[in-house]
Amino acid sequence: LAKTTQPISMDSYEGQEVNITCSHNNIATNDYITWYQQFPSQGPRFIIQGYKTKVTNEVASLFIPADRKSSTLSLPRVSLSDTAVYYCLVGVVFQKLVFGTGTRLLVSP
Amino acid sequence: DTGVSQDPRHKITKRGQNVTFRCDPISEHNRLYWYRQTLGQGPEFLTYFQNEAQLEKSRLLSDRFSAERPKGSFSTLEIQRTEQGDSAMYLCASSLGGTSGRAIKNIQYFGAGTRLSVL
Repeated sequence: LAKTTQPISMDSYEGQEVNITCSHNNIATNDYITWYQQFPSQGPRFIIQGYKTKVTNEVASLFIPADRKSSTLSLPRVSLSDTAVYYCLVGVVFQKLVFGTGTRLLVSP
Repeated sequence: DTGVSQDPRHKITKRGQNVTFRCDPISEHNRLYWYRQTLGQGPEFLTYFQNEAQLEKSRLLSDRFSAERPKGSFSTLEIQRTEQGDSAMYLCASSLGGTSGRAIKNIQYFGAGTRLSVL
């Protein structure tokens, strides 16, 4: 399973765009990139998933360059409620998920 | 979609006691997963089922741990002779899994977890 590297923490202010980059140099051909969000005392919540190029949904965008060795989760106009831990995962989607320690995002007023 | 349900949300027990947790997956999801999460760490995989068959178990799942999914619907995770090191959040997830088909179907949806404290 591909190992991921992402920043331990990030700080932002309300209304700003936040970009969290994840490195996955050993990503395999069949691997997908999936991001989860987790609030304290709750289970992880699926945010977005992609294989290549750009994926957008109602909450985030995921940018994946052609070599797929990294990906960037973009959260537009964050609010205080976006304060959470964000996990980048790489793997074959129907297998077990391998979580790292994630990125702790703190959004301040 | 009622989501993944876990019961109880919190459990406090004394060392040496047995505990059992229940997970009700999203209906029609044929895959069910158990994870454990300790403070400051990401969830760690324990085991998963496809329907009623337990297909993989992590080395984290010692002999004191047993999981079942008898009719391919809800699942239970039992810990016997609990130890203080078992204190953690136990998370259940389900997915409409398979070995083919669109990846979007295989997203794992998590419950809120059961927080176990062993005194």
